Amino acid sequence: QQQVKQSPQSLIVQKGGISIINCAYENTAFDYFPWYQQFPGKGPALLIAIRPDVSEKKEGRFTISFNKSAKQFSLHIMDSQPGDSATYFCAARPRRGSQGNLIFGKGTKLSVKP
Amino acid sequence: GAGVSQSPRYKVAKRGQDVALRCDPISGHVSLFWYQQALGQGPEFLTYFQNEAQLDKSGLPSDRFFAERPEGSVSTLKIQRTQQEDSAVYLCASSPRTGLSRTEAFFGQGTRLTVV
Repeated sequence: QQQVKQSPQSLIVQKGGISIINCAYENTAFDYFPWYQQFPGKGPALLIAIRPDVSEKKEGRFTISFNKSAKQFSLHIMDSQPGDSATYFCAARPRRGSQGNLIFGKGTKLSVKP
Repeated sequence: GAGVSQSPRYKVAKRGQDVALRCDPISGHVSLFWYQQALGQGPEFLTYFQNEAQLDKSGLPSDRFFAERPEGSVSTLKIQRTQQEDSAVYLCASSPRTGLSRTEAFFGQGTRLTVV
């Protein structure tokens, strides 16, 4: 059972455009929602994260929007650059009382064209 | 080193062979996680250590998979009698805290296992 569904599977954006990646979760017992960026041959690296008591978090060009009632969250990359080309994963972490493993989406391969 | 180090980076095993994958977490990190990432997929949780204690092994796919962290630092993931479906990248991650204080997990570059 896939608890975190991510879309689209792939995304092509022109340089300077906005990249939007969406995730939806089924289990309400999550309390932490990170986004990871992964380049080929590398491990995932934390990009930005949000907790469900906040509706939006912005760090530089990266923004997470969180809709608790819809059980959805999204990543927006403003002014997308070719260097942003990578695979992005959303994830969810079980709330306190669990051992804290991350449940990942299947990933979105982003290509930013110059 | 400054980050999570995994070795070997690449491993080719013949079907039925046993393999051992090593993870050196960031010094002082309490929590250590192993994940399996199949080609084109997101990482999937295998097991979790808090210091030397294996507190969650619910993600290990079969009893052929075994992980240990005897001194609370370096960890080894062992796969016995490898099968072709074990081919994947095995990622190790460590985190400085545990329990109720959530914090980010730092991932290593992974070990790419190919079973032929």
